[in-house]
Parts: sequence; structure tokens; C-alpha cells
Amino acid sequence: EAQVTQNPRYLITVTGKKLTVTCSQNMNHEYMSWYRQDPGLGLRQIYYSMNVEVTDKGDVPEGYKVSRKEKRNFPLILESPSPNQTSLYFCASKYQGTYTFGSGTRLTVV
Amino acid sequence: SQQGEEDPQALSIQEGENATMNCSYKTSINNLQWYRQNSGRGLVHLILIRSNEREKHSGRLRVTLDTSKKSSSLLITASRAADTASYFCATDATGGATNKLIFGTGTLLAVQP
Repeated sequence: EAQVTQNPRYLITVTGKKLTVTCSQNMNHEYMSWYRQDPGLGLRQIYYSMNVEVTDKGDVPEGYKVSRKEKRNFPLILESPSPNQTSLYFCASKYQGTYTFGSGTRLTVV
Repeated sequence: SQQGEEDPQALSIQEGENATMNCSYKTSINNLQWYRQNSGRGLVHLILIRSNEREKHSGRLRVTLDTSKKSSSLLITASRAADTASYFCATDATGGATNKLIFGTGTLLAVQP
């Protein structure tokens, strides 16, 4: 089944403790991206990647890092999480204009 | 803000009725897409309409696009309780560094059994 898989689904962590949210797609898509969803602000793009080793900032990249060492994986890294990064995160891949989203990661930073 | 606006913000209807949601956007687009999200869960792609299309159907869904007014509508016919969800429009824009979807604010649809 064609899908985008994110892990973990839920995560509670403490301020400053580095974490990684993984994202993997099995569709051989070149484009992948990360979004965060917040009440009243909707979905906003954090980072995107056009292909392996090609990444670029989205609208809200501060406090996040990404890497794209292989086509299928696009992890989101929070080096020093802060409470304002508490959010629902989505990874997506795209092919010919159609996006496939992961099931989401609900992150709480206390 | 680059976000689109959706109207209404919330809609409550009875099972069997039709539900219409509207979306306005600000930029020129390649395509417009509609997504569904069940409470706090993942986004499910419903339908994509390209900028040169005016209407598209998929099952009980009908989408229209008016690029002159920068607006789109999503019609769900013969609604079911299982259609209860939030619905978002998203535009894939043309020009510039626009490698992203720009999402609308969403319509929360409640279908009462």
C-alpha cells in the first residue's frame, strides 16, 4: 500500500531534549515536506525537499532541522524543543501535484 | 497572510442533506485540492482540480473552480454521519518559491444521524 509513515504518533517531551520525528514514504517520490498544524493558524510548511540532499526552508523553519540522505526518508529534527513547538506535525510526499500525508505526530513539549 | 479563507467555518446538517463549502484564495494557482481531516488525525486527499478545469466529480463529491473570482466550492451530496470531519482547501500556487500547499482555514462539518 502506498503510504507515508510517521513515527511516533504521540510524543511528550521536556524543553531542550533533542528529538527526531521520522517520516518514510514507499512511493519513490522525489518531493517531501513537513507541516505543522495549530489552532487558528492552520497548516504551515516547515521545510521541504525536492530530492536527495536538496532541502529548503518553508514558512516556519525556526527551531527545526531536516535531512534527506535517501529518497524514502525525511526526518524532522528538533535540536532543543520549546513549548511553542507543541503542535500536530504532518509529513507529506508529492507526485504530479497530488500530496500524500502521513497520519500525523502530536508533539507536546513541557 | 497567504492562507485561503473557507466559508462557513462550521456547518451542521442532517443525514441525507447536501453540504456546500466554499474556499477563496489569493494567488494564481496550478491546482486546488480538497482534503478531509477527522478530528486531529491525518489529512486525506479528496479531489484535485487543475486551473484549466471548471468542475470535477468524484463519487458524491463535486468541486467547482472559478479562477476569475479565485474561489472554489465543494459539494457533498447525500451526506452521511461518516462525512463528519473538517474539510480544507489547499492551493498549489504558480511562480516564485511556492513548493508548498497553501491551506485554507477549514470548514467543520457535522452530519447529524
